[in-house]
Amino acid sequence: GEDVEQSLFLSVREGDSSVINCTYTDSSSTYLYWYKQEPGAGLQLLTYIFSNMDMKQDQRLTVLLNKKDKHLSLRIADTQTGDSAIYFCAETTSGTYKYIFGTGTRLKVLA
Amino acid sequence: NAGVTQTPKFQVLKTGQSMTLQCAQDMNHNSMYWYRQDPGMGLRLIYYSASEGTTDKGEVPNGYNVSRLNKREFSLRLESAAPSQTSVYFCASTSGGAGNEQFFGPGTRLTVL
Repeated sequence: GEDVEQSLFLSVREGDSSVINCTYTDSSSTYLYWYKQEPGAGLQLLTYIFSNMDMKQDQRLTVLLNKKDKHLSLRIADTQTGDSAIYFCAETTSGTYKYIFGTGTRLKVLA
Repeated sequence: NAGVTQTPKFQVLKTGQSMTLQCAQDMNHNSMYWYRQDPGMGLRLIYYSASEGTTDKGEVPNGYNVSRLNKREFSLRLESAAPSQTSVYFCASTSGGAGNEQFFGPGTRLTVL
């Protein structure tokens, strides 16, 4: 079956790096995404990675994909208080219309 | 572009009442989705519409109906609201391009008493 798992909470100090982890079970996933949800708002796409890639970097964000272990991570460098939010990983498979979301990780950045 | 818009933003219903949640997108996207978000459960798909004129059930369709009115609009109807339908509802649409990312509306916060 399809499942996407994340830890529920992460707390870091301002200026440190944050690493949010996600595991998925569908080996046929084509695209893997990271979304950010701020309080009272919808989900905003941060970045995505194709399943044939190992890493993608976009400014302070680094995504690592380990296909063998079905493990996806999001690293946020120099974490700021504005990064406090819920982060969702999600997957989809080319040719389908279904997206599977994780439960979300609530990141709290301490000043 | 406004992106994905949803109305209303907040709603309180009594058990048994009906209502329709509206969603519209101005990005010319083919596919549209309705999700509900509950604490600790992430997003669960209620219904989706792959293209104008088609709708399909998602993971949790019971108690809901949808209408894809045209390419822009996708509405979600609760015929007889129940307290278990208290949730935050998100509409999304899909670009279909590279990455096939989903764009989300701001959500409707529904409470059923």
